[in-house]
Amino acid sequence: KAGVTQTPRYLIKTRGQQVTLSCSPISGHRSVSWYQQTPGQGLQFLFEYFSETQRNKGNFPGRFSGRQFSNSRSEMNVSTLELGDSALYLCASSDRGNNEQFFGPGTRLTVL
Amino acid sequence: AQSVTQPDIHITVSEGASLELRCNYSYGATPYLFWYVQSPGQGLQLLLKYFSGDTLVQGIKGFEAEFKRSQSSFNLRKPSVHWSDAAEYFCAVGTGGSYIPTFGRGTSLIVHP
Repeated sequence: KAGVTQTPRYLIKTRGQQVTLSCSPISGHRSVSWYQQTPGQGLQFLFEYFSETQRNKGNFPGRFSGRQFSNSRSEMNVSTLELGDSALYLCASSDRGNNEQFFGPGTRLTVL
Repeated sequence: AQSVTQPDIHITVSEGASLELRCNYSYGATPYLFWYVQSPGQGLQLLLKYFSGDTLVQGIKGFEAEFKRSQSSFNLRKPSVHWSDAAEYFCAVGTGGSYIPTFGRGTSLIVHP
């Protein structure tokens, strides 16, 4: 099976812009989670989608949003970008309730 | 809610030396336990996992971990470290109630030649 894929791998934006990141889970996986990773804050959970519904949400402002499509592919959107949004955004998929997650390579977002 | 503590932010070892990375968790029942490794700028790769049964689990790249219920620990070990093991290591705990594990802050492993 192909692994989790994320596009794009690298992105440079300026403050105030918005960005959309994409994640394709492993075939058959219905749960997709998003994480933000920064040197200062570590790995922080953004949200999780399961069968097109947001099931869990972390403590992030409303500028961060996501959705999941019927084929389980997921997108996350960040509006009105701030410098502090510069981070590695990781997507992970899972197919069962044992919390085992499979991670993609991440999207490196730089906000200038 | 469950929590995970990785007490060591950085660990430095010499190549060929043994390694032990510590992980302590807080959860009332038997959790699902994971160790992940992350190379710079990459995603997380699963090293090993514990769900039930034998408390000593073997993983990839020569790593093993031991679940000790009495100490609420799941320490990662390797008998002989290679320079390529230099990376960030994350311990995670899940409870099965959702698909989302809780991650520790990570331990950065530095390997000296």
